Amino acid sequence: AQSVTQLGSHVSVSEGALVLLRCNYSSSVPPYLFWYVQYPNQGLQLLLKYTTGATLVKGINGFEAEFKKSETSFHLTKPSAHMSDAAEYFCAVRGPTNTGNQFYFGTGTSLTVIP
Amino acid sequence: ETGVTQSPTHLIKTRGQQVTLRCSSQSGHNTVSWYQQALGQGPQFIFQYYREEENGRGNFPPRFSGLQFPNYSSELNVNALELDDSALYLCASSHSMNTEAFFGQGTRLTVV
Repeated sequence: AQSVTQLGSHVSVSEGALVLLRCNYSSSVPPYLFWYVQYPNQGLQLLLKYTTGATLVKGINGFEAEFKKSETSFHLTKPSAHMSDAAEYFCAVRGPTNTGNQFYFGTGTSLTVIP
Repeated sequence: ETGVTQSPTHLIKTRGQQVTLRCSSQSGHNTVSWYQQALGQGPQFIFQYYREEENGRGNFPPRFSGLQFPNYSSELNVNALELDDSALYLCASSHSMNTEAFFGQGTRLTVV
């Protein structure tokens, strides 16, 4: 079974401060992990993904995430928050093809950036 | 390269009615998945189609059904609408079952 837990449904940071959004996953197989961003009244946009290889993954808009197998975590970070980063962020896990391949999403973290 | 497009963007239906939502997948993609996102929640998997065959289904009743066409576009049909069906319905397409998915803008369904 696969699942995702996002700690903190709401996170507020000051503009220019570090952004840290937490994600822990549960998976019985090596996971594929994703972060998506959703702006109001829009669909999901892929920020970054981890499948295999390097555990530190860089994405768009200055975001990055590190896969830590020992901690079953895939936290999202950005060194300096920008006003345009205010949105809803979803962590997701997806299994390999032979065991089912749908996304399992967390409940989301709403990021507010304070000027 | 065109992205994933969904229609309509918004609609309002009455409880008990039927609705059809449409999705055009991204060029070159052969896999389409549908998700329901209730207000304040993460998307929940409804089902997936790969080369016109259903290839996985989430915990949704049979009144949720779908189709995928030879051009890989897709429809989601919901019969006997209930108030709890009010949600944002997202379509996602991918090149194969094991890659990242690209999402459309969604259809906001309101059941009254």
